[in-house]
Amino acid sequence: QKEVEQDPGPLSVPEGAIVSLNCTYSNSAFQYFMWYRQYSRKGPELLMYTYSSGNKEDGRFTAQVDKSSKYISLFIRDSQPSDSATYLCAMRVYGGSQGNLIFGKGTKLSVKP
Amino acid sequence: DGGITQSPKYLFRKEGQNVTLSCEQNLNHDAMYWYRQDPGQGLRLIYYSQIVNDFQKGDIAEGYSVSREKKESFPLTVTSAQKNPTAFYLCASSIGTGNTGELFFGEGSRLTVL
Repeated sequence: QKEVEQDPGPLSVPEGAIVSLNCTYSNSAFQYFMWYRQYSRKGPELLMYTYSSGNKEDGRFTAQVDKSSKYISLFIRDSQPSDSATYLCAMRVYGGSQGNLIFGKGTKLSVKP
Repeated sequence: DGGITQSPKYLFRKEGQNVTLSCEQNLNHDAMYWYRQDPGQGLRLIYYSQIVNDFQKGDIAEGYSVSREKKESFPLTVTSAQKNPTAFYLCASSIGTGNTGELFFGEGSRLTVL
């Protein structure tokens, strides 16, 4: 079993839909959880960051961590065509460095007008 | 503007040739990283450096080499020993190595071996 599993999609939704992107992981020591967004032919950029469990909201985006299920989610409300990108989850253990960051394979999202 | 500059954006190489990808940052970040991205594989760490004149191997260092002679520069050499070098290469930096986890990425270099 890989440390981080992420459904690669592609996922296609109509504009205005609620999008749910998910990752599962096997290492219970992971404490830092991140979502990166990557537009085509560009480098990823950090979208959301969460430490340990719980929810975090930023505008239309909500990141959720369920450590008991080893499951993290990113919700996008009122999705827009500009949200079309690949979304990568990433995580690492407490005290670890970014050199120990483990990325999911990414989910490609397309929001149709 | 502060950021990370990777060059060249596109590079073609013949088999058996070494090639060096440039990565420069003006963010005054201590740590720098090189990742490789293949379709369906996600990001895989090649090398990273936490301070000048020091670097560590990542998960897929074989066939690659790096140097860190200056804080702002972290070039990656893809050697002829790398069996499958065609890929999208991403350079990143961070303020330190134990903070929130934000990596700042460059726009990438796409290497194609003919």
